[in-house]
Amino acid sequence: NAGVTQTPKFRILKIGQSMTLQCTQDMNHNYMYWYRQDPGMGLKLIYYSVGAGITDKGEVPNGYNVSRSTTEDFPLRLELAAPSQTSVYFCASSYTGTGGYEQYFGPGTRLTVT
Amino acid sequence: DAKTTQPPSMDCAEGRAANLPCNHSTISGNEYVYWYRQIHSQGPQYIIHGLKNNETNEMASLIITEDRKSSTLILPHATLRDTAVYYCIVGGGSNYKLTFGKGTLLTVNP
Repeated sequence: NAGVTQTPKFRILKIGQSMTLQCTQDMNHNYMYWYRQDPGMGLKLIYYSVGAGITDKGEVPNGYNVSRSTTEDFPLRLELAAPSQTSVYFCASSYTGTGGYEQYFGPGTRLTVT
Repeated sequence: DAKTTQPPSMDCAEGRAANLPCNHSTISGNEYVYWYRQIHSQGPQYIIHGLKNNETNEMASLIITEDRKSSTLILPHATLRDTAVYYCIVGGGSNYKLTFGKGTLLTVNP
C-alpha cells in the first residue's frame, strides 16, 4: 500500500490564483481530513469527510473548498489565493471503529503565495 | 475536545528513556489519549493511544493515571532519530476530529 499520497510536493502561487491540492489514499478508509500547519504551530483542521459525498468544515475553512466523490480521493481547492494561505498542507485518513483509531498522514504540500 | 498541556521542550540522552508528560484534566469519559510525533517537516506519525489502561507497542509505552487527568509517553531507549515534536491529543471516541497543539520538542543528544 502507498498509504496517503499528496501532489504536488511544492507550489508557488501568485495572489489571486487558484489551485487544487490532490490527496489519495489506498487503505479504503472512510474518513479523510485536510490540515494546515503554519511555521512553529500545530496542525489546524480545514475540512474533513466521513465518506463519499459527505464533507464538513473544520476549524479554519475560509478560502478553501473540498469535494469527496470517491472513497479514495479528497481534493482541496484554493480559490483566490492569499499570502495568509502560505502553509504546509497535510492530508490524512482514518478508519473508525470501536477502540479509537489512528490517522495516517501524507507527506504534505508546501505552498507559498506571493 | 479536551485540551492538553505539554512542556514546550525536553532533552534526553541517547540510549536513555524519554518520559514525555501531558496534562488533560478536562478529559471526558469516552475520550482517548493519542500520541503522535512529527519529525522535521514530515507528516505526523501515529505512536500509540489508550483509554484508561496502560498500553505498550513496539514504539512506546503509554501510562495513564487512574483519574485520567494526565499521561506519560515513554520511549524506552531513545535514539537520535527520535528527535521530533511529540503531540499529546485527546479525542476520538464519538468525536473523530483531533486537535493538535504545539507539542513538545524532544531533542535526543548523543
